[in-house]
Order: sequence, then structure tokens, then C-alpha cells
Amino acid sequence: GNSVTQMEGPVTLSEEAFLTINCTYTATGYPSLFWYVQYPGEGLQLLLKATKADDKGSNKGFEATYRKETTSFHLEKGSVQVSDSAVYFCALVISNFGNEKLTFGTGTRLTIIP
Amino acid sequence: EAQVTQNPRYLITVTGKKLTVTCSQNMNHEYMSWYRQDPGLGLRQIYYSMNVEVTDKGDVPEGYKVSRKEKRNFPLILESPSPNQTSLYFCASSLSPGEQFFGPGTRLTVL
Repeated sequence: GNSVTQMEGPVTLSEEAFLTINCTYTATGYPSLFWYVQYPGEGLQLLLKATKADDKGSNKGFEATYRKETTSFHLEKGSVQVSDSAVYFCALVISNFGNEKLTFGTGTRLTIIP
Repeated sequence: EAQVTQNPRYLITVTGKKLTVTCSQNMNHEYMSWYRQDPGLGLRQIYYSMNVEVTDKGDVPEGYKVSRKEKRNFPLILESPSPNQTSLYFCASSLSPGEQFFGPGTRLTVL
């Protein structure tokens, strides 16, 4: 089956620090990969995506590159802000024109301190 | 504004008392889905619907029902809630695979 493994949290960083949240996956077929972010008290929002190998998704200063050889999709940001404090979920989908179920990792809680 | 709405946002109920959580989207999406979020488990899919009158089970469908009589609405029904259904529930809709719009969530407590 398909699965996503994320680094354990919580992660606490100082403002302007460099962020990496690791994500690896196993999948039957060719998945598209996503990072979703959940701010306190809200639903998930799509942060970025990549649909094929070597694609780089980027948004709001965050980046992630689809690495097929290492089955990874690590999230990075060069300089985090307090407003980046949230829970981050890595996810994949296999598009079979049927169930577009997202398979999620367990989430990584990020706290940025001023 | 494009959005997915859920009601209620918070609900405390007792074992066995039937309840419905409503979900509505205004984006004309064909695909809708329900997830539950539990600590340490991430989000797990309960049911999904590819279009009106087309629904199917996700990973954890036991104890839940859904219906899709209209494109915009996808209610989640708990016929006889039990304490193990205490969770945070999210409805989502999408236009393309994986790019899902999530509702704000419904926190359900079953005593």
C-alpha cells in the first residue's frame, strides 16, 4: 500500500532559522506529492505540490523537490517567521481517475520563537 | 469566496444519539471526501464521493454513512455514535487529484 513517513515533531526553531522537515514515501505507481499546512483552529491548506520526478514545488518561501531515487519530498525554508508556526503534513495521491484519496503523514508541529 | 463549510464546528453528544455533520462547497467540485484526524495518526479517509449518487468507502468507514444527493452537499451521518468516534472531522472537495480544499473542521466528542 501507499504510505508517508514524516520526521517526528515537535520542531522548535528561532526566527530566521533554516527549516527542513523530512518526508519519505512508499507508493505503488507514480504519485503526486503535496505539502499541506494547518494553522491553529483551521482546516488544512495546500502549501505546495509536485507531480513528477525532479519537479520543485514552491510557495511562500517554502520549497520541496520530488526525488524519485530517494522517494523523498523534504520541505525547506531558508528563514522562518513566527507566522510559520503550524502543523505541516506531507501527502501523496495516486491518480487513478477514481478515488483521489490523499495519504497523509502524521504531521509535524512547527513552533517558531521570536 | 471559494470555500467548504461544515456545521456544527463543535459538538458534544452521548453514545447512541444519531447525528449529522453537514458539508457544503461552492466550487462546483465533483469530488468530495471526509477525513478524521487523530493524534499520531494524521488524517484518514472515511468516505468519498466522485459525483452525485456515487459514494464509496475510504480507509475507516465503520460506523459512518454518507449521502450525495446534490453536488454541493456531502453530509456525514453517525447513526449510533460511540466514544471511539471522538475526533476532529474534515470535509474536503477537489477539482484535480490531490489539490483538496478543506473545511474548517468539526470537533466531535462522544460521551
